[in-house]
Amino acid sequence: GENVEQHPSTLSVQEGDSAVIKCTYSDSASNYFPWYKQELGKRPQLIIDIRSNVGEKKDQRIAVTLNKTAKHFSLHITETQPEDSAVYFCAARRGSTLGRLYFGRGTQLTVWP
Amino acid sequence: NAGVTQTPKFQVLKTGQSMTLQCAQDMNHEYMSWYRQDPGMGLRLIHYSVGAGITDQGEVPNGYNVSRSTTEDFPLRLLSAAPSQTSVYFCASSYSRTSGNNEQFFGPGTRLTVL
Repeated sequence: GENVEQHPSTLSVQEGDSAVIKCTYSDSASNYFPWYKQELGKRPQLIIDIRSNVGEKKDQRIAVTLNKTAKHFSLHITETQPEDSAVYFCAARRGSTLGRLYFGRGTQLTVWP
Repeated sequence: NAGVTQTPKFQVLKTGQSMTLQCAQDMNHEYMSWYRQDPGMGLRLIHYSVGAGITDQGEVPNGYNVSRSTTEDFPLRLLSAAPSQTSVYFCASSYSRTSGNNEQFFGPGTRLTVL
């Protein structure tokens, strides 16, 4: 099956700095890559996703890039704010829309004021 | 829409007891799944279903059973609770044929402690 690895496991940045979280995947058939944010005590929520026919996608301060050749994708958060502090999970899914998601182990992001 | 709902929010069991975690969704989603979340381990898939009457095992299925008799409901049964099953359990659903939306939505979670 698919194997998704996520780095780093913890990340601390100063408010206003950028944060980058990286994930690699093993299955070349994977074609959908979502990112989830989980605040303390809350459920994971989708913040951005990308499909394999697109190399980059932006939504205000967050962006995701995908390199299919190298099988890795990254989450970029610019101008970080304390409310960005949370655990972020990357995931990958193979072709079928009913396919299961394979999650990375998560990154605890802390943004210091 | 209530989205994905789970009951109970908290549960304490004694070793050997059985119980059912309830999950329901009102988005007409075909795909439903159960995850457990433990510190440092991310979200691990227990069981999933691609439609009513169809279920399959994920990566950590031992000690759990599921059934999907309706599109809306996907209960998770703990057969004989063990301390290793202490965790936070999330139900999730995705994909509606009518909307074509693939986003996976999570329920609020159930925090289970097994003594």
